[in-house]
Amino acid sequence: DTEVTQTPKHLVMGMTNKKSLKCEQHMGHRAMYWYKQKAKKPPELMFVYSYEKLSINESVPSRFSPECPNSSLLNLHLHALQPEDSALYLCASSVTGTADTGELFFGEGSRLTVL
Amino acid sequence: DQQVKQNSPSLSVQEGRISILNCDYTNSMFDYFLWYKKYPAEGPTFLISISSIKDKNEDGRFTVFLNKSAKHLSLHIVPSQPGDSAVYFCAASVIPGTYKYIFGTGTRLKVLA
Repeated sequence: DTEVTQTPKHLVMGMTNKKSLKCEQHMGHRAMYWYKQKAKKPPELMFVYSYEKLSINESVPSRFSPECPNSSLLNLHLHALQPEDSALYLCASSVTGTADTGELFFGEGSRLTVL
Repeated sequence: DQQVKQNSPSLSVQEGRISILNCDYTNSMFDYFLWYKKYPAEGPTFLISISSIKDKNEDGRFTVFLNKSAKHLSLHIVPSQPGDSAVYFCAASVIPGTYKYIFGTGTRLKVLA
């Protein structure tokens, strides 16, 4: 299994809603990432979890709240978002430690629209 | 401040010919570089990587060249195939395992049959 699975694929939410994006991998990777990608722009790093602990937060607004309940799962909780938060949210994972090749494995993304 | 730049937003190449995609970076601390391919409605997929101790790495039809003094890398695809049509991103990191990958702006490659 070399897949990173993201759900939902599409999400439309209002500015007062609370929703969550989910990501799952069963490759035994111990680093998991959230990236945000807007149209015609590169993916931008948001958060990194290493061994289930938050290791990087790229000054992301608190209306985005990540969670890593176990080594296979990564969530992104969304609350009080703004229309400019509409984007493709990509989850990725990678091997850590001496086996790290630097390769990120990406999911297909969750397309978020905030009305 | 874009630390990794791909100055050609798009490139068209005839099938069978060579595609050359370029990437420039500004941070001399970057030590590890990757190329990703992205189809619409899919996540990026890893193609090939190179560390700064090398100047060339090959994998089948894909070759990446690194010129550290010029802070420049390029991806060569030979021969180009229509299925190669996608957006290509280069990415850079200080070292593997630091988790912080900075992506370039992307180049849309179209291979014409």
